Amino acid sequence: DAGITQSPRHKVTETGTPVTLRCHQTENHRYMYWYRQDPGHGLRLIHYSYGVKDTDKGEVSDGYSVSRSKTEDFLLTLESATSSQTSVYFCAISESAGTGGTDTQYFGPGTRLTVL
Amino acid sequence: QKEVEQNSGPLSVPEGAIASLNCTYSDRGSQSFFWYRQYSGKSPELIMFIYSNGDKEDGRFTAQLNKASQYVSLLIRDSQPSDSATYLCAVFTSGTYKYIFGTGTRLKVLA
Repeated sequence: DAGITQSPRHKVTETGTPVTLRCHQTENHRYMYWYRQDPGHGLRLIHYSYGVKDTDKGEVSDGYSVSRSKTEDFLLTLESATSSQTSVYFCAISESAGTGGTDTQYFGPGTRLTVL
Repeated sequence: QKEVEQNSGPLSVPEGAIASLNCTYSDRGSQSFFWYRQYSGKSPELIMFIYSNGDKEDGRFTAQLNKASQYVSLLIRDSQPSDSATYLCAVFTSGTYKYIFGTGTRLKVLA
């Protein structure tokens, strides 16, 4: 299994509070991704990173920000949590964005976030 | 039209049968195709990837890719109850960082 951990694994918070989720990898992969998974929508990309301090938006980035100060850590922050951000959040990593197998994504165990 | 489409299921097959899961995609520039298995409450785990037209076999699993028709399929031979899960199809276009996932097909293997 790819060495990916996420913390916390479960969190309950209140509307309007900031929340930070952490993804940590031990694979030294360049690319890291944050997804959310909701019934009927599948996995949707929030933000991704293609290197230290290099990040970009995905399809559902509103209300989220990210930071990557080290290769191994990718943080996702909900600036002011809303009930619509209740979801399961997955971090993923990949070695490259090319082909030949190195673009394969591996997923962390997920964080279940509930916003009341 | 969704970019990656899968039948949500459930697809029910008897134990020992072949399960056939299908996925269609809209971006003709897509180059890499992945199948993931996801058990309830767990994270997606990679089953196979395929890049070239044709079949790719790995144990009981065979991935089939037809770029002209824009579909990719997964066959599971000798299906087991432990194969009961949701199967996600993902499509990637090299250089875009853009993985698009289908919503998944739920497979139930009946003992």
